[in-house]
Amino acid sequence: KNEVEQSPQNLTAQEGEFITINCSYSVGISALHWLQQHPGGGIVSLFMLSSGKKKHGRLIATINIQEKHSSLHITASHPRDSAVYICAVLKNSGGSNYKLTFGKGTLLTVNP
Amino acid sequence: GAGVSQSPSNKVTEKGKDVELRCDPISGHTALYWYRQSLGQGLEFLIYFQGNSAPDKSGLPSDRFSAERTGGSVSTLTIQRTQQEDSAVYLCASSLTGVREYFGPGTRLTVL
Repeated sequence: KNEVEQSPQNLTAQEGEFITINCSYSVGISALHWLQQHPGGGIVSLFMLSSGKKKHGRLIATINIQEKHSSLHITASHPRDSAVYICAVLKNSGGSNYKLTFGKGTLLTVNP
Repeated sequence: GAGVSQSPSNKVTEKGKDVELRCDPISGHTALYWYRQSLGQGLEFLIYFQGNSAPDKSGLPSDRFSAERTGGSVSTLTIQRTQQEDSAVYLCASSLTGVREYFGPGTRLTVL
């Protein structure tokens, strides 16, 4: 079983819809990242959070440490939101060593 | 300010040749990571450097892979005797310890 599980694997939505992508993890973590990768593009870090909720524009990320679960929400989705969204957990691997472990990603397609 | 830069952006090589990939992290960032993303696959951790500490090499796929970081700044990932399965996008990221990572644009390696 992967340490980081994302769902759904693929998601197609109509413009304007509210979107939720889920991430569950099985290990103790220092923090959790949500990353975005557009087709053929680089990776951008959207959020890094260790508790509670963060909001940036139409994006909202929440994390429940006890349940080992995080969600990424997109409100009023737009075709330009079409991308792969990746959940990654930051673990302390000893001393001051940290390591990111990635989920397999969620391919989001928003149709006009 | 400048972000993480990587060179070359594209590298095509013949099977069996050695390649060197370079990463220039954000100035002042103590942590530096190498990852790779194979076609159709998720992100895979390769190696992590924290300041002048010995690197965490646990993710290196084989002894053909090595990396060094000179003066706590620039890093070079070397792949010896390249194989076709080494073809991937190699990503570098840097951060302050335990804080959000910034990704470089990647080097696309193609082994013929």
